[in-house]
Order: sequence, then C-alpha cells, then structure tokens
Amino acid sequence: NAGVTQTPKFRVLKTGQSMTLLCAQDMNHEYMYWYRQDPGMGLRLIHYSVGEGTTAKGEVPDGYNVSRLKKQNFLLGLESAAPSQTSVYFCASSYVSGLAGYEQFFGPGTRLTVL
Amino acid sequence: KQEVTQIPAALSVPEGENLVLNCSFTDSAIYNLQWFRQDPGKGLTSLLLIQSSQREQTSGRLNASLDKSSGRSTLYIAASQPGDSATYLCALMPFDRGSTLGRLYFGRGTQLTVWP
Repeated sequence: NAGVTQTPKFRVLKTGQSMTLLCAQDMNHEYMYWYRQDPGMGLRLIHYSVGEGTTAKGEVPDGYNVSRLKKQNFLLGLESAAPSQTSVYFCASSYVSGLAGYEQFFGPGTRLTVL
Repeated sequence: KQEVTQIPAALSVPEGENLVLNCSFTDSAIYNLQWFRQDPGKGLTSLLLIQSSQREQTSGRLNASLDKSSGRSTLYIAASQPGDSATYLCALMPFDRGSTLGRLYFGRGTQLTVWP
C-alpha cells in the first residue's frame, strides 16, 4: 500500500514551458486535491475532485488545469509556466464517509522551480 | 472566510518537556480539525483528526483537543523527544455546504525543535 505518490519529485522549467504533475493513490479514495505551499503563505487549494471525471476550482486555480480520468489518478497541468508558480505542490486524497471522513492523506510533494 | 492562526511560530525545548501547541480559528462552524506533522523537505503526515462532535483525540504521546465555542485547538506532546522536531500544522474543514467540499484551511505552522 503506497498511499499517495507524486511524480516527479523535482522539476525546473523555463518560463512558458508546460508540464504535468501526476498524483496517484491506492486507497480507493473518492476525493483528491492539489495544494501549493509557499513560504509565509501556508498551503492553498488549487483544484480538487470529488470523483472520477469531475473537477472543481479551489482558492488559487489560475494558470492550472486538472483532470481525473481514473479514480486513482489526479493530474495537474501548467500550460505556460510562470515564475510565480515556483512552489512545492502537494497532492492529497480522502474518504468521504465514516468516522475518518475527509481525513486527508498527503503525498511527498513536487518541488517546482520556474526560471 | 475562515482564518487559522498558530502560535507560537517557533518553539525550542529541551528533551523530556511536555509542551502545548496552539491553534485558533475564527469560525466555529467546522466539520473537523486535523493536525499534521511536516519534516523538512517532506510531505504532511496526519497525526490526529477530531470530528466536530468530539472534544479530543489521543495517539500515543499526542493528545489533541477541540473547543469550538472558543475557537481553539491544542496539541499536547508528552515527554518530548528530539525525533519530535518538525513543523506542526493545524487545518480545519469548514461545515458549509456552499464551500469547497473537503477544503482545508491551514495555519502556517509551529516549528518545533527538541534538543537533547
């Protein structure tokens, strides 16, 4: 049981380049989330998904797109990277019912630098 | 908008001390509260989850309490050890059907150092 995994762990992009971050979970969780963590700002929600084929915007969605084609995977895309998107990106997933409803489990993070 | 504050931002204690980390929030309409641990350069590890109807949760040397009426939660760490050194984050899930489902509001964390 690997939990939540993220690929890649590190990446350096030039301004204007595109990339996709992959998140995978093997816990059969319904909900998945993408956050970014910046110094002095805490974690902020970018996009989230309540099930396969559904996605929605979070607090800071601009410049990002997401897709949830399979229940276990949640992809975060940057179409044209900007220096302001330099951050650490975390994926999380959760159940939606039971005593531990909505308890979120996080991946190890992806450190992205945009030059 | 829910705001979550963690005080102090940093704490340094000798090994063996019992300590309390504080988390305060502005809106008492919450679904649950979760405490996380984050080691440098690593992801977040869930420590304890307290549902809105609960007052506290315990796991080993950790005890988390929740007082919605005063907008506060505390994380109590007994007999601290150097291995407890990390950043501790408090996060709330609002109970608001109009808001982002499952969205967590995070505090900025308390950086704990336990020295031998």
